[in-house]
Amino acid sequence: KNQVEQSPQSLIILEGKNCTLQCNYTVSPFSNLRWYKQDTGRGPVSLTIMTFSENTKSNGRYTATLDADTKQSSLHITASQLSDSASYICVVSPPISGGYNKLIFGAGTRLAVHP
Amino acid sequence: ETGVTQSPTHLIKTRGQQVTLRCSSQSGHNTVSWYQQALGQGPQFIFQYYREEENGRGNFPPRFSGLQFPNYSSELNVNALELDDSALYLCASSLWTTYEQYFGPGTRLTVT
Repeated sequence: KNQVEQSPQSLIILEGKNCTLQCNYTVSPFSNLRWYKQDTGRGPVSLTIMTFSENTKSNGRYTATLDADTKQSSLHITASQLSDSASYICVVSPPISGGYNKLIFGAGTRLAVHP
Repeated sequence: ETGVTQSPTHLIKTRGQQVTLRCSSQSGHNTVSWYQQALGQGPQFIFQYYREEENGRGNFPPRFSGLQFPNYSSELNVNALELDDSALYLCASSLWTTYEQYFGPGTRLTVT
């Protein structure tokens, strides 16, 4: 079983609408949780990063929330734009071990924004 | 743009062949991590190099090997290619082994 599960697998919304992507994880404890945006055929780009003690972090139209008790995180996108079409990946980082920072990636949610 | 570059952007190889992928890290970064991303999946950690030494390894067989050079650029080598090796290979550089990682655009490898 994957340690980081994301839903939905894919999503289509109309331009200007809001949407929320979900991430459930079993990694515990963890040092931080990140959301990345990945355009097709490109490398992931960091959107937000939260430590276990934070419960919300915003980056422009992107707002991430974290509930460490239920081991859930969400990424809310407001007033979507065509350029938001991409995969959104939830990444959990366990406590540092062995001197390196191992990242555990979810499979991503593929978002398509239509005009 | 993160300043991390990878080459080539894509290539096609035949099963059983060997391949070398290259990564130039962001200026000042001494750590490079490599990931394999199969279609529709999240990236999987292959290994990390810090100051020319392997600093950690994921669940990949020994035919996946790497190098890091004095200028901190890196290579990923894969021997005896298998069809399942077809994927996007990402490298990420960071200032130190545990700092924020910045990803390159990836190399798309197709094994036929």
